Amino acid sequence: EPEVTQTPSHQVTQMGQEVILRCVPISNHLYFYWYRQILGQKVEFLVSFYNNEISEKSEIFDDQFSVERPDGSNFTLKIRSTKLEDSAMYFCASKSGGNEQFFGPGTRLTVL
Amino acid sequence: AQTVTQSQPEMSVQEAETVTLSCTYDTSENNYYLFWYKQPPSRQMILVIRQEAYKQQNATENRFSVNFQKAAKSFSLKISDSQLGDTAMYFCAFMKLSRDDKIIFGKGTRLHILP
Repeated sequence: EPEVTQTPSHQVTQMGQEVILRCVPISNHLYFYWYRQILGQKVEFLVSFYNNEISEKSEIFDDQFSVERPDGSNFTLKIRSTKLEDSAMYFCASKSGGNEQFFGPGTRLTVL
Repeated sequence: AQTVTQSQPEMSVQEAETVTLSCTYDTSENNYYLFWYKQPPSRQMILVIRQEAYKQQNATENRFSVNFQKAAKSFSLKISDSQLGDTAMYFCAFMKLSRDDKIIFGKGTRLHILP
């Protein structure tokens, strides 16, 4: 069964460093999402992406964040200069035209 | 703006018992989806059950069923014959009926199934 994959599973970085979180959505999906979950808190929407552009972004998704679909298969989330409060679980999700978003296993980001 | 509220931060039940998790939401939309997601300790997000707002019939998936009360904006999850593997965080979630809309999650209910 096709699934969304994410790499790495755990990323540790120093404050101020750039990180790129990678996702491979399900191959025929057209809509892509990033969510994050700070430990012990709810899952929050970051950004949605369709047709090679951002559809919607939350107030969390400031200028330090960017997304890209560089090669038609990967979907990346870049944080330019990480802060301590960026430590969280980051989930990628994708869907076709239907209503169900399929979530990846997440990347745990730890900023020291 | 849509909101999802889960009023039970944590619950514990004995194995084989039935448990109901509460969820209310607020929206001005008429067409939308509601979901329950399970998040075990691995932190993977697993879709448990889905309800389309235009359907009056409550969704059922094996031991999982919902009580959807559209007028009251209530969407509770019932787990029958609970099993140890049901121990997890459960999130109620809302999504507008739209091509690419985001999912809005509640804060979650941590469910412990006791042996």
